[in-house]
Parts: sequence; structure tokens; C-alpha cells
Amino acid sequence: EAGVVQSPRYKIIEKKQPVAFWCNPISGHNTLYWYLQNLGQGPELLIRYENEEAVDDSQLPKDRFSAERLKGVDSTLKIQPAELGDSAVYLCASSRGGGGAHEQFFGPGTRLTVL
Amino acid sequence: AQSVTQLDSQVPVFEEAPVELRCNYSSSVSVYLFWYVQYPNQGLQLLLKYLSGSTLVKGINGFEAEFNKSQTSFHLRKPSVHISDTAEYFCAVSPQGGSEKLVFGKGTKLTVNP
Repeated sequence: EAGVVQSPRYKIIEKKQPVAFWCNPISGHNTLYWYLQNLGQGPELLIRYENEEAVDDSQLPKDRFSAERLKGVDSTLKIQPAELGDSAVYLCASSRGGGGAHEQFFGPGTRLTVL
Repeated sequence: AQSVTQLDSQVPVFEEAPVELRCNYSSSVSVYLFWYVQYPNQGLQLLLKYLSGSTLVKGINGFEAEFNKSQTSFHLRKPSVHISDTAEYFCAVSPQGGSEKLVFGKGTKLTVNP
């Protein structure tokens, strides 16, 4: 089966500009996650979706970050405006859901550089 | 809340040598435990997981890990490493019966030298 697809793989923008990342999860996976991975750190959850509903967005900086998952499949994560400290890798993952025992499958990530 | 400590940020070893990557966790509830591997410019891939049952878990690529509840540890081992094992390894925990939130450690960079 196809894995989690993310685009773009790399993005370089000037600070204060907007940016968007796209994720297509594995077919049939109801749960979708966005993670932030800073250099030298493990991933940190930004937001989790169950189908179309954001069930955990407590770590999402809502003043500048937004996300959506229309129709419960693809998802978009947006930053507006971007700041220098947003430079990181943004990872998308999906799982079949049903509890913490389910394996999360990760995409290759989008590496964002804010100049 | 859960937290994960990976005791070594970098581990250099020679090819065919054994390796152990250490992971300790903290949690007020029972947890599921995972090890993920990340190759350069790639996403994370599951190596193995402990859900219940036998405390010795075998995973892909010859890796295994042992869950020690009394020491709250989940160390990863491989008896003989290859150059291709060079990667970043992440230990993660998820609370049982709760949210699906994975909490990751900071990672251990394993470098296998010829």
C-alpha cells in the first residue's frame, strides 16, 4: 500500500510570509497527526484528527497555525505569518485509530526554512 | 503526563559490534512502548513495540528490546550492527486506555563505523 504522502518536501520562505503543507494519509486510516520536529529533538504533536474532527489541538499555536482535514482524508497545515523559530521539519502521520496501541505511519516530512 | 529520557544523544560503534540504546520513561499510568528509526531525510519507521505479554520484544532488522517495569526502562539492543543501521533512533510512549498521543524522547544518533 502507498505510504503517507507529504508535499512539498522542502520550503524556503521569508519571515512573515504564509506557508502551507499538505498531507495525504494511508487509505483507510481515520486518524491523522501533525508533528513538529526541531533539529536534534523528537517529534512533538501539534494536532490530531479523528476523521474530520480535531480531537487534540492543545499544542497548536493558534495565533499563527491552523489546520484542516476536509472530508476526513487529506489535511493541510498552515502558518501565517511564519517566524524564524518555525524553521523545523513538519511530519504527518496516520493510523487506523482505536487507541495508543495502533502503529503510526509517518510521511517523509516537510523541511521548512524561514529566512 | 508521560516523559521519555534517552540517556545517550550519540552512540558510535564499529560494524559487527553489539549495541544498546537506552530509554527510560516516566508515567503515572501503564503505557505502550515503541522504538522508531529515522534515516536521513526520511520519516520515522516503527522498529518494534511493547503492548503486553512477553517483556522481550523482537522487531525488524534484528533489533529487540526488553521492557523492565520496575526500572521503567525499554532498552533497544542489536547483537551485531551494520553500516546500514546508521540512523536516529527514537523511543516513545503512549498511555494505555487514553489518547493516542505519542510522547517521544530526544533521540539517539547511532553511527556505525567500518
